[in-house]
Amino acid sequence: DVKVTQSSRYLVKRTGEKVFLECVQDMDHENMFWYRQDPGLGLRLIYFSYDVKMKEKGDIPEGYSVSREKKERFSLILESASTNQTSMYLCASSLSSGVGEAFFGQGTRLTVV
Amino acid sequence: DQQVKQNSPSLSVQEGRISILNCDYTNSMFDYFLWYKKYPAEGPTFLISISSIKDKNEDGRFTVFLNKSAKHLSLHIVPSQPGDSAVYFCAASDAGTYKYIFGTGTRLKVLA
Repeated sequence: DVKVTQSSRYLVKRTGEKVFLECVQDMDHENMFWYRQDPGLGLRLIYFSYDVKMKEKGDIPEGYSVSREKKERFSLILESASTNQTSMYLCASSLSSGVGEAFFGQGTRLTVV
Repeated sequence: DQQVKQNSPSLSVQEGRISILNCDYTNSMFDYFLWYKKYPAEGPTFLISISSIKDKNEDGRFTVFLNKSAKHLSLHIVPSQPGDSAVYFCAASDAGTYKYIFGTGTRLKVLA
């Protein structure tokens, strides 16, 4: 079974802190994604990566950066956390073909206080 | 600019009846469509997909229909079961970009 693992289920951070959300997949997928889910807004794409060290902005990249140093790991970084970044963060991975499903991790509920 | 839209935030259906969830899209470049199911505090799980070369795909109780001319897809669940109660997201992708664009979700409640 494909497994996408996010490092934390729940996180509470203070405004202004630097926050790292880690994601690891074990299926040798080329593509990895970070989404956030908010009520009434669905899943919105923050960043994605189609290869090691490659990244592209999604629809809402402001306030975030990413790192992909190894194929299996994709990190989301909040440089200076703000309260409007309180959300559910979801990591996903998929094969490079563009056809087929994306597999999601269990999610990280981040609260910024 | 919402490229994938689910206009019904919620839907209630009696157990055993059909659930129909709808999704509209605006980008004619989308060529692959998916439905996901999500329980609270969990990641979305894949349900069923359809390529733009087809107009129907069936998997057990789940059937997805695609109307390319109307840029519309729907998910039919027959018969509906209480365990189907969840939020359902439709998603679309474009093979040229490999991104998955999601709708806002429809909360389905199946009443026993």
